[in-house]
Amino acid sequence: GEDVEQSLFLSVREGDSSVINCTYTDSSSTYLYWYKQEPGAGLQLLTYIFSNMDMKQDQRLTVLLNKKDKHLSLRIADTQTGDSAIYFCAEILFGNEKLTFGTGTRLTIIP
Amino acid sequence: EPEVTQTPSHQVTQMGQEVILRCVPISNHLYFYWYRQILGQKVEFLVSFYNNEISEKSEIFDDQFSVERPDGSNFTLKIRSTKLEDSAMYFCASSELTSGYEQYFGPGTRLTVT
Repeated sequence: GEDVEQSLFLSVREGDSSVINCTYTDSSSTYLYWYKQEPGAGLQLLTYIFSNMDMKQDQRLTVLLNKKDKHLSLRIADTQTGDSAIYFCAEILFGNEKLTFGTGTRLTIIP
Repeated sequence: EPEVTQTPSHQVTQMGQEVILRCVPISNHLYFYWYRQILGQKVEFLVSFYNNEISEKSEIFDDQFSVERPDGSNFTLKIRSTKLEDSAMYFCASSELTSGYEQYFGPGTRLTVT
């Protein structure tokens, strides 16, 4: 079965880079996602990576995928106060339609 | 930018009552989903819906739950007889499959069962 794990909390100084990590267990994942949830808001799709890729960059966001270790990370460059949120990683398995989410990492920005 | 909308934002109901949660997916999307998040727990998949029928459902989605697309724009989740443990945030999502499984979520409906 699928399981997705994340650390619960991360604190980063404004202007530094944030790295949020995620591990998943099922090697047949098709897509791996990062969602952002701000207080009182829904889940905002930030970016995703296909499981045959190693890296994807989109402006301040860089996604790295290590398939051997089943490890996914999201790097946010030049972290701003507006980046404060809970970040969820999620996967879809080949042939399925459901997203399986991690626990979410609460990112706190220190001024 | 088109977005998924949900109503109401907060619903309070008594145990045993029926509730209907409403969603308006993005207009050109073909796949629709419901997820829920019990406070302090992971976001969990409930059901997916395509071409007017359920395409996949989880163990949580038992006979108390049903989904419907009553017209060309709305997508609803009905809970027939609510239990205390149904209290959660319910998220609707939609996707245009051809763009590669990108599911876009609404802001959620917080359901409180008393």
